[in-house]
Amino acid sequence: LAKTTQPISMDSYEGQEVNITCSHNNIATNDYITWYQQFPSQGPRFIIQGYKTKVTNEVASLFIPADRKSSTLSLPRVSLSDTAVYYCLVGANAGNNRKLIWGLGTSLAVNP
Amino acid sequence: NAGVTQTPKFQVLKTGQSMTLQCAQDMNHNSMYWYRQDPGMGLRLIYYSASEGTTDKGEVPNGYNVSRLNKREFSLRLESAAPSQTSVYFCASSEGRGGQYFGPGTRLTVT
Repeated sequence: LAKTTQPISMDSYEGQEVNITCSHNNIATNDYITWYQQFPSQGPRFIIQGYKTKVTNEVASLFIPADRKSSTLSLPRVSLSDTAVYYCLVGANAGNNRKLIWGLGTSLAVNP
Repeated sequence: NAGVTQTPKFQVLKTGQSMTLQCAQDMNHNSMYWYRQDPGMGLRLIYYSASEGTTDKGEVPNGYNVSRLNKREFSLRLESAAPSQTSVYFCASSEGRGGQYFGPGTRLTVT
């Protein structure tokens, strides 16, 4: 069964770039990689999604190597408000027989 | 545009009681999901509905039933609650291969 592994926690400082890597060795051909952010007592919030190479939006970048066995979420110039838990999700978000494999989350602490 | 709404926000049940968690989305999404989130275990998919009229089991369906009432609404029922079902429950929706949009969650305690 596919497994998604990410670091339990990370520390950073305001203004730094933060990179969180997720390992997904058994990713399937149809699987996409999606990252979510979650604050306490709230539901997860979509950040970015990709299939291969690099994707960038207004809040983050997602780097996926050619073998797709890992992915890296990059948060540029973090602020205190980026302190949250970040989840990596691997799976096919369409069609039947969906297998959605969530990582256990990386707790990011941004310090002043 | 409220997104995904869930009711109730909090609930305490005694073992053996039943209840239904309600979820609605106003984004015209085809797919809807129910998850539970427990400390140290991340998010686990209970059931999902790929489209109106269809439902499928996820990773941890035992003890739960679902109903996709229409395109907007997807309910989760606990027929006979057990302490192991104490958790935070999230409903989500998505369209195509896009990301999922989550509701605020229901905190359920079974004593």
